[in-house]
Amino acid sequence: GENVEQHPSTLSVQEGDSAVIKCTYSDSASNYFPWYKQELGKGPQLIIDIRSNVGEKKDQRIAVTLNKTAKHFSLHITETQPEDSAVYFCAASLGSARQLTFGSGTQLTVLP
Amino acid sequence: KAGVTQTPRYLIKTRGQQVTLSCSPISGHRSVSWYQQTPGQGLQFLFEYFSETQRNKGNFPGRFSGRQFSNSRSEMNVSTLELGDSALYLCASSLAGAKNIQYFGAGTRLSVL
Repeated sequence: GENVEQHPSTLSVQEGDSAVIKCTYSDSASNYFPWYKQELGKGPQLIIDIRSNVGEKKDQRIAVTLNKTAKHFSLHITETQPEDSAVYFCAASLGSARQLTFGSGTQLTVLP
Repeated sequence: KAGVTQTPRYLIKTRGQQVTLSCSPISGHRSVSWYQQTPGQGLQFLFEYFSETQRNKGNFPGRFSGRQFSNSRSEMNVSTLELGDSALYLCASSLAGAKNIQYFGAGTRLSVL
């Protein structure tokens, strides 16, 4: 089955700096890659996603890039703010399947 | 539009008991998936239901089961609880079709003593 590895497990940045989280996946057939943000006591919230026919997608301060050849995708957050502090999860799935395989998560801390 | 609603938010059970968790999806969403979240294993897929049928199942023992009703609401049941079943159980709903964007509820925190 699919395996998703996520790095780093913890990341601290100064407010205003950029943060990058990287994930690799094992199944070349996977074609949907969402990113979720989970705050304490809450469920994961979708922040951005990308499909395999697209190399990059941007939404304000957040961007995701996908390299299908290398089977890795990354989340980029620019101009970080304290409210960006949370655990971020990458995930992958195959086709129309709603079975997401998650990475292990990254605890992002934005220092004021 | 209301989000995914999970009840109860917290549960405490003892070993050997069984438990039923409930999930009400976003209005119009017909697919409901369940995930288990633990510090050690992370987020793991349990199963997915669509139109009252289980379409996909993760690698969990048969003690974990679920069902979906005609109004798309879903329940999951865990029988003969073990200490290792302590976790946050998350439900996610999505529209039918090729787009598989999943929206999660806040989860049910199950503690097994």
